[in-house]
Amino acid sequence: AQSVAQPEDQVNVAEGNPLTVKCTYSVSGNPYLFWYVQYPNRGLQFLLKYITGDNLVKGSYGFEAEFNKSQTSFHLKKPSALVSDSALYFCAVRDYNNNDMRFGAGTRLTVKP
Amino acid sequence: DAGVIQSPRHEVTEMGQEVTLRCKPISGHDYLFWYRQTMMRGLELLIYFNNNVPIDDSGMPEDRFSAKMPNASFSTLKIQPSEPRDSAVYFCASSLVGPNEKLFFGSGTQLSVL
Repeated sequence: AQSVAQPEDQVNVAEGNPLTVKCTYSVSGNPYLFWYVQYPNRGLQFLLKYITGDNLVKGSYGFEAEFNKSQTSFHLKKPSALVSDSALYFCAVRDYNNNDMRFGAGTRLTVKP
Repeated sequence: DAGVIQSPRHEVTEMGQEVTLRCKPISGHDYLFWYRQTMMRGLELLIYFNNNVPIDDSGMPEDRFSAKMPNASFSTLKIQPSEPRDSAVYFCASSLVGPNEKLFFGSGTQLSVL
């Protein structure tokens, strides 16, 4: 079965600095990878996805993610962090065959002024 | 479109009571998912439906949990009897068919079982 891992429970960065939230995946076929963000007391919101093609995917709010097949990684990045980016970030993988979506444990991003 | 609509937003009940959570997916979406979120276990997939048919309920914790989707615009997740360890945020999500399609989440139901 497909799965994703987020090795960091917490990431702290200073405002204006670049940020990276890590994700690795395990799938039996082609990966369909997603990033979601969750703000307090809200549902998850879609940020971006990788299906095929360019390894650098651009998404909402200035976020991007880099797909690396050899390292089975799909790290979320942003060149310059904002305090308002502070939230819980989830990496997810959707299965080609049965279409269910599995999420990582989540990484809490804190951007300090 | 109003998005995925869940009700109630908050539910407080006593142990042993029946709890019913409701979800209205986005019109035209073929898939509906129920997730549970807790601090300890993160976001767990409980069950999902394709065209109103349950596909995988292996994530349902035990027989006290049941889910139905009587039509394309409505689903329920029922817990009977409820226990304090069921306290969590329950999310419903829907999507179009296909592994490349994103999920749209509702705002969740915060369940507290006393």
